[in-house]
Order: sequence, then C-alpha cells, then structure tokens
Amino acid sequence: DIQMTQSPSTLSAFVGDRVSITCRASQYISSSLAWYQQKPGKAPQLLISEATSLESGVPSRFSGSGSGTEFTLTISSLQPDDSATYYCQQHYSGGSFGGGTKVEIK
Amino acid sequence: EVQLVESGGGLVQPGGSLRLSCEASGFTFSSHWMSWVRQAPGKGLEWVANIKQDGTMENYVDSVKGRFTISRDNAKKSLSLQMNSLRAEDAAVYYCVREGLGSGRILDRWGQGTLVTVSS
Repeated sequence: DIQMTQSPSTLSAFVGDRVSITCRASQYISSSLAWYQQKPGKAPQLLISEATSLESGVPSRFSGSGSGTEFTLTISSLQPDDSATYYCQQHYSGGSFGGGTKVEIK
Repeated sequence: EVQLVESGGGLVQPGGSLRLSCEASGFTFSSHWMSWVRQAPGKGLEWVANIKQDGTMENYVDSVKGRFTISRDNAKKSLSLQMNSLRAEDAAVYYCVREGLGSGRILDRWGQGTLVTVSS
C-alpha cells in the first residue's frame, strides 16, 4: 500500500503570506496526486488533481507542483477564507490520503 | 447542479449491520465510478470502497474487505454501502463521492455525509 505523509500538520500564518504544504508518497506515483480543502463541519472539496491541474472555480492563488514522490500545495497570498484543513491523496493505486494540514490565520 | 445525499447512518451495536444509501442527481450517474470515503471523529480521511460504472467491479480498503459491500442501481441513480460485523473503529462520517470521468479515483464531488456510531 502507498503511504502519504504530509507536513507540517499545523501551519499558522498571516493574511497575505505565501504558504506551502508538502506531501510525500512512499513510492512512485507519477503525477497522480490530488489536493482537497475541508472546512469544519463540511465535506472536502477538490482543489487540484494530477498534481498541478486547478479545478474550475478554485482561486488562482492555489497551485500545485511536483511529481514522482514529492508534491507541494502553495497558497500564494493567504486569505481568511483559506482557514481549513488540507489533504493530499494519491490516485495512482488505491486512493490513500495524507494525514492533513490544518492552516490557521494569525 | 450535482447533488449527492446520503442517508442511513445511526447508532449500531458492535457486530451489528447498517446500510447506507446515496441518492445522486444533476449528472449522468451511470457514467461515473462512485466511492465511499469515511472520516472518524476528529481524524483524517480514509477511502473505503468504490464501484465501476456498470457495477461489475468493486474495490475495498483492506480493513473492510469481507464485511462491507458496495452496490449501485443506475436506474434509480443510487449508491449503497452494506456494512456488516461493525466495529468501534468503523465509527465515522461516511461520504458518498463521485469520481471524475476517466480519473482513477479523483474525488470531484462529495455529499454532506452521514454519521455512523458504533457503540454498545
């Protein structure tokens, strides 16, 4: 089974900051990586698929990069509405998720 | 508008059974693989099972194999999850999720979830 490891588990930053979340796969997954945002009490929402492809309607301040085993989600200018937990998920073999990164606004 | 509405959650004793349902609307249900994903209270996401468009192929996470069965009725645009021999660790919010077309488990639309509690 493919294990996904996210870091950090919690991130606190100011509005306007550039923030990045890392996701590492235990084995090669090509570009088969998705990112989801989940707000408290709500269902997750797909942000990015295939490592870099932004879903329709997702603000352009979100971007994804990486391939192989290491991936990054970047928010170029953090906004109050971005306060949420973010999960990576590999869709190469099975669908295992990372443990999540909680993003807080200072 | 895509809508996925789950039902059937509730309190069940360890060893008991429960059947979850999901009603889909706003898209061509028969064109998509469908998944169930769960989230234990305060924990992360776990993919549980999925089923092919025509119902001929199913996949499960190891922890539920032999206990859970996913099924679908394309005429009724509905997805189900039969859960038997429930354990405390199965307690979670269960989400009905659509997979993107040709995507291989990219989970592009989610229901609001139904809560399953396993306790005596």
